[in-house]
Amino acid sequence: GENVGLHLPTLSVQEGDNSIINCAYSNSASDYFIWYKQESGKGPQFIIDIRSNMDKRQGQRVTVLLNKTVKHLSLQIAATQPGDSAVYFCAENGYSGAGSYQLTFGKGTKLSVIP
Amino acid sequence: DAEITQSPRHKITETGRQVTLACHQTWNHNNMFWYRQDLGHGLRLIHYSYGVQDTNKGEVSDGYSVSRSNTEDLPLTLESAASSQTSVYFCASGDRGTDTQYFGPGTRLTVL
Repeated sequence: GENVGLHLPTLSVQEGDNSIINCAYSNSASDYFIWYKQESGKGPQFIIDIRSNMDKRQGQRVTVLLNKTVKHLSLQIAATQPGDSAVYFCAENGYSGAGSYQLTFGKGTKLSVIP
Repeated sequence: DAEITQSPRHKITETGRQVTLACHQTWNHNNMFWYRQDLGHGLRLIHYSYGVQDTNKGEVSDGYSVSRSNTEDLPLTLESAASSQTSVYFCASGDRGTDTQYFGPGTRLTVL
Protein backbone atom coordinates (compact mmCIF):
# COMPACT_ATOMS: atom_id res chain seq x y z
CA GLY A 1 0.00 0.00 0.00
CA GLU A 2 0.98 3.62 -0.18
CA ASN A 3 1.95 3.83 3.48
CA VAL A 4 3.63 0.47 3.80
CA GLY A 5 7.06 2.10 4.08
CA LEU A 6 6.28 4.25 7.10
CA HIS A 7 7.83 3.26 10.44
CA LEU A 8 9.98 0.56 8.87
CA PRO A 9 13.74 0.16 9.19
CA THR A 10 15.31 2.18 6.40
CA LEU A 11 18.45 1.53 4.41
CA SER A 12 19.83 4.38 2.33
CA VAL A 13 22.42 3.60 -0.32
CA GLN A 14 24.16 5.54 -3.03
CA GLU A 15 23.26 4.67 -6.59
CA GLY A 16 25.74 2.13 -7.91
CA ASP A 17 26.64 0.75 -4.49
CA ASN A 18 25.65 -2.71 -3.32
CA SER A 19 22.76 -3.13 -0.90
CA ILE A 20 22.33 -5.78 1.77
CA ILE A 21 18.95 -6.28 3.38
CA ASN A 22 18.64 -8.65 6.31
CA CYS A 23 15.85 -10.78 7.68
CA ALA A 24 15.66 -12.96 10.78
CA TYR A 25 13.14 -15.76 10.56
CA SER A 26 11.47 -17.53 13.41
CA ASN A 27 10.72 -21.13 12.50
CA SER A 28 13.68 -23.50 12.37
CA ALA A 29 11.46 -26.00 10.51
CA SER A 30 10.83 -23.63 7.60
CA ASP A 31 12.34 -24.98 4.42
CA TYR A 32 11.45 -22.35 1.84
CA PHE A 33 12.06 -18.62 1.77
CA ILE A 34 11.10 -15.82 -0.59
CA TRP A 35 12.13 -12.20 -0.99
CA TYR A 36 9.51 -9.75 -2.21
CA LYS A 37 9.79 -6.15 -3.40
CA GLN A 38 6.89 -3.77 -2.85
CA GLU A 39 6.79 -0.38 -4.50
CA SER A 40 4.48 2.32 -3.24
CA GLY A 41 0.87 1.64 -4.23
CA LYS A 42 1.64 -1.77 -5.71
CA GLY A 43 1.42 -5.39 -4.72
CA PRO A 44 4.43 -7.41 -3.56
CA GLN A 45 6.57 -8.62 -6.43
CA PHE A 46 8.46 -11.91 -6.28
CA ILE A 47 12.22 -11.39 -6.52
CA ILE A 48 13.98 -14.62 -5.63
CA ASP A 49 13.49 -17.73 -3.53
CA ILE A 50 15.67 -20.34 -1.85
CA ARG A 51 15.17 -23.78 -0.37
CA SER A 52 16.77 -24.76 2.92
CA ASN A 53 19.05 -27.28 1.21
CA MET A 54 20.92 -24.32 -0.30
CA ASP A 55 23.06 -21.58 1.28
CA LYS A 56 23.11 -19.22 -1.66
CA ARG A 57 21.15 -18.51 -4.80
CA GLN A 58 21.82 -15.91 -7.43
CA GLY A 59 19.55 -14.11 -9.81
CA GLN A 60 19.96 -11.10 -12.01
CA ARG A 61 21.73 -8.52 -9.80
CA VAL A 62 20.34 -10.20 -6.69
CA THR A 63 21.73 -12.87 -4.38
CA VAL A 64 20.01 -14.50 -1.44
CA LEU A 65 22.07 -16.00 1.38
CA LEU A 66 20.62 -18.37 3.95
CA ASN A 67 22.21 -19.12 7.32
CA LYS A 68 20.13 -21.79 8.97
CA THR A 69 22.34 -21.92 12.06
CA VAL A 70 21.28 -18.44 13.14
CA LYS A 71 18.01 -18.34 11.19
CA HIS A 72 19.11 -15.45 9.05
CA LEU A 73 18.34 -14.53 5.47
CA SER A 74 19.87 -11.72 3.45
CA LEU A 75 19.22 -10.15 0.07
CA GLN A 76 22.11 -8.56 -1.76
CA ILE A 77 21.42 -6.17 -4.63
CA ALA A 78 24.37 -5.36 -6.84
CA ALA A 79 24.85 -1.92 -8.38
CA THR A 80 21.71 -0.52 -6.79
CA GLN A 81 19.58 1.63 -9.07
CA PRO A 82 16.89 4.24 -8.33
CA GLY A 83 14.28 1.73 -9.51
CA ASP A 84 15.29 -0.52 -6.64
CA SER A 85 13.80 1.92 -4.13
CA ALA A 86 10.98 0.00 -2.42
CA VAL A 87 10.10 -1.98 0.67
CA TYR A 88 11.67 -5.43 0.74
CA PHE A 89 10.42 -8.23 2.93
CA CYS A 90 11.15 -11.87 3.39
CA ALA A 91 8.70 -14.71 3.78
CA GLU A 92 9.16 -18.20 5.21
CA ASN A 93 6.90 -21.20 4.93
CA GLY A 94 5.91 -22.62 8.24
CA TYR A 95 3.56 -25.24 9.61
CA SER A 96 0.20 -23.68 10.47
CA GLY A 97 -1.57 -26.81 11.68
CA ALA A 98 -3.82 -29.47 10.11
CA GLY A 99 -1.16 -30.44 7.62
CA SER A 100 -0.99 -26.96 6.16
CA TYR A 101 2.06 -24.82 5.50
CA GLN A 102 1.64 -21.08 5.06
CA LEU A 103 3.92 -18.22 4.27
CA THR A 104 4.74 -15.89 7.17
CA PHE A 105 5.92 -12.44 6.15
CA GLY A 106 8.38 -10.11 7.80
CA LYS A 107 7.49 -6.46 8.25
CA GLY A 108 10.08 -5.29 5.75
CA THR A 109 12.92 -2.87 5.20
CA LYS A 110 12.60 0.30 3.17
CA LEU A 111 15.41 0.78 0.67
CA SER A 112 16.06 4.33 -0.49
CA VAL A 113 18.52 4.86 -3.32
CA ILE A 114 20.28 8.20 -3.42
CA PRO A 115 20.94 9.33 -7.01
CA ASP B 1 -0.09 -12.74 -20.52
CA ALA B 2 -1.36 -14.51 -17.44
CA GLU B 3 -2.05 -12.22 -14.53
CA ILE B 4 -3.89 -11.65 -11.29
CA THR B 5 -6.28 -8.73 -10.98
CA GLN B 6 -8.25 -7.19 -8.15
CA SER B 7 -11.29 -4.95 -8.21
CA PRO B 8 -12.13 -2.40 -7.18
CA ARG B 9 -8.73 -0.80 -6.56
CA HIS B 10 -10.25 1.66 -4.10
CA LYS B 11 -13.46 1.37 -2.09
CA ILE B 12 -15.09 3.54 0.53
CA THR B 13 -17.99 2.09 2.44
CA GLU B 14 -19.93 2.61 5.65
CA THR B 15 -19.93 0.59 8.82
CA GLY B 16 -22.36 -2.32 8.67
CA ARG B 17 -22.48 -2.65 4.91
CA GLN B 18 -21.59 -5.84 3.10
CA VAL B 19 -18.62 -5.49 0.78
CA THR B 20 -17.17 -7.92 -1.75
CA LEU B 21 -13.67 -7.63 -3.16
CA ALA B 22 -12.93 -9.50 -6.36
CA CYS B 23 -9.80 -11.46 -7.25
CA HIS B 24 -9.28 -13.07 -10.65
CA GLN B 25 -6.25 -14.98 -11.90
CA THR B 26 -5.56 -16.40 -15.33
CA TRP B 27 -2.61 -18.59 -14.37
CA ASN B 28 -4.87 -21.57 -13.66
CA HIS B 29 -3.36 -21.75 -10.17
CA ASN B 30 -5.02 -24.05 -7.67
CA ASN B 31 -3.97 -22.05 -4.61
CA MET B 32 -5.41 -18.63 -3.85
CA PHE B 33 -4.99 -16.41 -0.80
CA TRP B 34 -6.32 -13.21 0.71
CA TYR B 35 -4.15 -11.00 2.94
CA ARG B 36 -4.53 -7.65 4.61
CA GLN B 37 -1.64 -5.27 5.07
CA ASP B 38 -1.54 -2.79 7.91
CA LEU B 39 1.17 -0.58 9.35
CA GLY B 40 3.19 -2.47 11.94
CA HIS B 41 1.73 -5.86 11.04
CA GLY B 42 2.99 -6.83 7.64
CA LEU B 43 0.86 -9.17 5.57
CA ARG B 44 -1.63 -11.27 7.51
CA LEU B 45 -3.53 -14.19 6.05
CA ILE B 46 -7.33 -13.93 6.04
CA HIS B 47 -8.52 -16.95 4.04
CA TYR B 48 -7.09 -19.33 1.50
CA SER B 49 -8.18 -22.01 -0.94
CA TYR B 50 -6.36 -24.98 -2.42
CA GLY B 51 -8.95 -25.63 -5.13
CA VAL B 52 -12.57 -25.38 -6.19
CA GLN B 53 -14.96 -25.73 -3.25
CA ASP B 54 -12.06 -25.66 -0.79
CA THR B 55 -11.76 -22.75 1.67
CA ASN B 56 -9.77 -22.38 4.88
CA LYS B 57 -9.47 -19.79 7.62
CA GLY B 58 -6.28 -17.90 8.13
CA GLU B 59 -4.87 -15.93 11.01
CA VAL B 60 -7.39 -13.05 10.89
CA SER B 61 -10.54 -14.57 9.40
CA ASP B 62 -13.19 -13.13 11.76
CA GLY B 63 -15.66 -10.95 9.84
CA TYR B 64 -14.58 -12.26 6.43
CA SER B 65 -15.72 -15.07 4.15
CA VAL B 66 -14.67 -16.50 0.80
CA SER B 67 -16.08 -18.90 -1.74
CA ARG B 68 -14.36 -20.79 -4.56
CA SER B 69 -16.75 -21.80 -7.31
CA ASN B 70 -14.14 -21.93 -10.07
CA THR B 71 -10.37 -21.97 -10.43
CA GLU B 72 -9.99 -18.34 -11.51
CA ASP B 73 -11.86 -16.43 -8.79
CA LEU B 74 -11.76 -16.07 -5.02
CA PRO B 75 -14.04 -13.20 -3.90
CA LEU B 76 -13.61 -11.90 -0.35
CA THR B 77 -16.75 -10.75 1.47
CA LEU B 78 -16.94 -8.55 4.52
CA GLU B 79 -20.31 -9.49 5.97
CA SER B 80 -20.74 -6.29 8.01
CA ALA B 81 -17.89 -3.88 7.49
CA ALA B 82 -16.21 -2.43 10.57
CA SER B 83 -13.75 0.46 10.88
CA SER B 84 -11.11 -2.05 12.01
CA GLN B 85 -11.30 -3.57 8.53
CA THR B 86 -9.95 -0.43 6.91
CA SER B 87 -6.83 -1.77 5.25
CA VAL B 88 -5.14 -2.68 1.99
CA TYR B 89 -6.18 -6.12 0.79
CA PHE B 90 -4.03 -8.31 -1.42
CA CYS B 91 -4.96 -11.42 -3.27
CA ALA B 92 -2.30 -13.96 -4.24
CA SER B 93 -2.16 -17.21 -6.14
CA GLY B 94 0.24 -20.10 -6.52
CA ASP B 95 0.54 -23.40 -8.29
CA ARG B 96 -0.33 -26.70 -6.65
CA GLY B 97 2.59 -28.24 -4.82
CA THR B 98 4.59 -25.03 -4.67
CA ASP B 99 4.97 -22.42 -1.96
CA THR B 100 5.56 -19.46 -4.25
CA GLN B 101 2.79 -16.88 -4.26
CA TYR B 102 2.20 -14.11 -6.78
CA PHE B 103 0.30 -11.05 -5.71
CA GLY B 104 -2.34 -8.81 -7.24
CA PRO B 105 -2.16 -4.99 -7.18
CA GLY B 106 -4.27 -4.62 -4.05
CA THR B 107 -7.55 -2.99 -2.99
CA ARG B 108 -7.54 -0.08 -0.59
CA LEU B 109 -10.69 -0.32 1.55
CA THR B 110 -11.86 2.47 3.84
CA VAL B 111 -14.73 1.83 6.24
CA LEU B 112 -16.26 5.04 7.62
